[in-house]
Amino acid sequence: DVKVTQSSRYLVKRTGEKVFLECVQDMDHENMFWYRQDPGLGLRLIYFSYDVKMKEKGDIPEGYSVSREKKERFSLILESASTNQTSMYLCASSSSWTSGGLSGKNIQYFGAGTRLSVL
Amino acid sequence: AQKVTQAQTEISVVEKEDVTLDCVYETRDTTYYLFWYKQPPSGELVFLIRRNSFDEQNEISGRYSWNFQKSTSSFNFTITASQVVDSAVYFCALKNQGGKLIFGQGTELSVKP
Repeated sequence: DVKVTQSSRYLVKRTGEKVFLECVQDMDHENMFWYRQDPGLGLRLIYFSYDVKMKEKGDIPEGYSVSREKKERFSLILESASTNQTSMYLCASSSSWTSGGLSGKNIQYFGAGTRLSVL
Repeated sequence: AQKVTQAQTEISVVEKEDVTLDCVYETRDTTYYLFWYKQPPSGELVFLIRRNSFDEQNEISGRYSWNFQKSTSSFNFTITASQVVDSAVYFCALKNQGGKLIFGQGTELSVKP
C-alpha cells in the first residue's frame, strides 16, 4: 500500500514564525503535491514537484515555498506565518507520468493532513 | 476554464437510505479524468474511483456506484443502503492532460443510525 506520512497532525504557531511541514512517501513516486483545504473551497494546490530539486507553483503559492532535496520528502515552508494561513494542509504523491508532461491518469495518494493554527 | 461543482454542501440521511452525491464539471478538453475521494474524520483522502473521458460505462463496487454522463457533464456517486461508516466528506475532482487535479468544494455526508 502507498503510504504518505505527514510529520504532524496538529500544529500551533505564532504569527511571524517560520513553519516547516514535512511529508514523506514510501512508494518511490516522482511527483509530490501540497494542498490546503478550507471549508467551502475544497482543496487548492499550493506547489508541486515532479522531480528532486524541481518545483512548480500551483494556484495559491503566495506566502509559501517548498523544498525537495530527496525523492521521498517534500517540505512546505511558511516563511513568516500569518493568521490567514490557518488551515488544513494535505500532501499527496503520484507515480511518474509519461514523457512530455503530466499524465492525467495517475492517482494521487494523500497523507492524513496537518491542521495548522496560526495565532 | 476548468471547474468542478458539488452543489450539495451537506447531506444528512438515516442508515439504510440510498444517497446520491452530485458532481458537475466543466472542461474544454476532450481527454480528461474524473475522480472521487472520501475524507473520513481521520483526515486522509481515500481514493475511490477514476474514470477517463472515453469510458461512459457506469461502475458498481459493492454499495457504491457511479454514473458518468458526458452529455450533462456529470459524474454522480450513489451509496446504496448507507451505513454510519459512510459518514465523511466526499470530493469529486477533474484532471486533464495538463495534470492538475481540480477539486470540487466537497459534500459532507452524515449517516445517522
